[in-house]
Amino acid sequence: QKEVEQDPGPLSVPEGAIVSLNCTYSNSAFQYFMWYRQYSRKGPELLMYTYSSGNKEDGRFTAQVDKSSKYISLFIRDSQPSDSATYLCAMSLIQGAQKLVFGQGTRLTINP
Amino acid sequence: SQTIHQWPATLVQPVGSPLSLECTVEGTSNPNLYWYRQAAGRGLQLLFYSVGIGQISSEVPQNLSASRPQDRQFILSSKKLLLSDSGFYLCAWSGTGYPGELFFGEGSRLTVL
Repeated sequence: QKEVEQDPGPLSVPEGAIVSLNCTYSNSAFQYFMWYRQYSRKGPELLMYTYSSGNKEDGRFTAQVDKSSKYISLFIRDSQPSDSATYLCAMSLIQGAQKLVFGQGTRLTINP
Repeated sequence: SQTIHQWPATLVQPVGSPLSLECTVEGTSNPNLYWYRQAAGRGLQLLFYSVGIGQISSEVPQNLSASRPQDRQFILSSKKLLLSDSGFYLCAWSGTGYPGELFFGEGSRLTVL
């Protein structure tokens, strides 16, 4: 079993829809949870960062962590074509990027 | 502001040929540096990371090596490429921001034929 599981998609939704992206994980000791966004042929960039459980909101984006279910989510409201990208979840036990474990990434397309 | 440069962007190499990918970071000192590989449909796999000049940690046994000859320079090498070395290689750095926040370069797409 992989440490982090993420549905690779592809996921295609119409503009304006609410998008839900999810990851499950097996290691209950993970403490730091991140979402990275990667445009085609580019390097990923950090989109959302959450420590432990709970929700975090930034504009149209909401990151949710449920440690009891070992499940994290990223919600995108009022999705735009510019949101079309691959979204990768990442998590770690301790502070330090060298210990990040990434999901496969979900490829998302927002259709105008 | 900090920037990261990675080159070449694309290369096609025959099996058995050598490889050198270079990465430099500007605008910061003593960054942690990383090499990742991203295969199609798979997540990012950490290959090497470095916390200082000459200090390299390897995460997976493989046909590749890394060196850090200067504070802000990170090089990924191979003496003889294998078909399985094909992929998208990403250099990244981290500083004192969010724990786990990586700043990635544009990537180098390697095809081994």
